[in-house]
Amino acid sequence: ELKVEQNPLFLSMQEGKNYTIYCNYSTTSDRLYWYRQDPGKSLESLFVLLSNGAVKQEGRLMASLDTKARLSTLHITAAVHDLSATYFCAVDIDMNRDDKIIFGKGTRLHILP
Amino acid sequence: DVKVTQSSRYLVKRTGEKVFLECVQDMDHENMFWYRQDPGLGLRLIYFSYDVKMKEKGDIPEGYSVSREKKERFSLILESASTNQTSMYLCASSFGTGFGYGYTFGSGTRLTVV
Repeated sequence: ELKVEQNPLFLSMQEGKNYTIYCNYSTTSDRLYWYRQDPGKSLESLFVLLSNGAVKQEGRLMASLDTKARLSTLHITAAVHDLSATYFCAVDIDMNRDDKIIFGKGTRLHILP
Repeated sequence: DVKVTQSSRYLVKRTGEKVFLECVQDMDHENMFWYRQDPGLGLRLIYFSYDVKMKEKGDIPEGYSVSREKKERFSLILESASTNQTSMYLCASSFGTGFGYGYTFGSGTRLTVV
């Protein structure tokens, strides 16, 4: 059974600190996505990682993918309150040549001023 | 910009009612999906469709059905709504076949069944 596990599931941190969210998955894939969800809202695409060693950065967020370790990380640098949200990783697996994405349970990030 | 539009943001229905949730996308995407999201349970796939008139069960299809008569529209149907179907429902679409663009989500419908 394919599993996508995020940790931590909940993170409370101070503004200005750095932290990393981890996403482990249990099957071969070279496509991984990160999404952000604000309370009461839908999911918004943050990063698309399409190969081993891929690294993407947007502002204070940086995502990377290690397909051999089946691990992706989302690193937060010098956190600010606006980054408070729930972050989901999702792994793309081929089902008869069609995409099917499996989501982790999400990491709820709360940044304290 | 790709748009996935869900017809209602908030919906309140009575137990036993037949409920239709509509989703329309405007980018000619092949694949469409319905999820429900509940606290602590993450996103759970209800049904998906890779083509017109085609549907596949996801992880929790019981109590739901779907319809895809046109490529751009994917409807979720609650045959007889129950209180345990109170949830946030998210529609998503994608190009599919390994393009690697991921999903585009609609804004969600928060359904309350009373």
